Amino acid sequence: DAMVIQNPRYQVTQFGKPVTLSCSQTLNHNVMYWYQQKSSQAPKLLFHYYDKDFNNEADTPDNFQSRRPNTSFCFLDIRSPGLGDAAMYLCATSRERLAGGDNEQFFGPGTRLTVL
Amino acid sequence: AQKITQTQPGMFVQEKEAVTLDCTYDTSDPSYGLFWYKQPSSGEMIFLIYQGSYDQQNATEGRYSLNFQKARKSANLVISASQLGDSAMYFCAMRGNSGGSNYKLTFGKGTLLTVNP
Repeated sequence: DAMVIQNPRYQVTQFGKPVTLSCSQTLNHNVMYWYQQKSSQAPKLLFHYYDKDFNNEADTPDNFQSRRPNTSFCFLDIRSPGLGDAAMYLCATSRERLAGGDNEQFFGPGTRLTVL
Repeated sequence: AQKITQTQPGMFVQEKEAVTLDCTYDTSDPSYGLFWYKQPSSGEMIFLIYQGSYDQQNATEGRYSLNFQKARKSANLVISASQLGDSAMYFCAMRGNSGGSNYKLTFGKGTLLTVNP
């Protein structure tokens, strides 16, 4: 029954070693989001895809990239992870971008990234 | 710019009692949406309840209700009959309906709720 799936749930990487986190959805939603959540903080939006249209937040570091090869999958690539990139990474989806009670964002369980 | 303020870093409640989690907001958008999410220690963000700024009635979903006071710009979450499984972090979030912000959720810092047996 899982609707937004993130793999792996826990990821350990070395400083500077590229890492890819994956997200898939069974909801056929148009929009997919990536959030970064550091310990005891609120989630922070990194970017989102509306269909194939990529939208980067202004303050997202260049070190973070994303790919959406099809409707179901979206990947977060961290090109050169630093110690400050250790965080929970949350993927979310929504049917459309507009606000509305029937258009809430559905979140996956997250991937907790550790950088050694 | 939008801002969400949750002034309670932590709250404690006895099992079976009701608890109110505070949320105030600030926005220049005439139309907006307010959301509450629950985040257990496992990490998943679980949608609880939504209130639109033009909704005439306060939203309710089972044991969750939203005390929406538009003039005071507050959207407090009320959990009735607390259960041990309600122990989690709770986030209030807002999304504007205009311009470039109509997709973006702005989150508060969260309130950690602990339900005591």
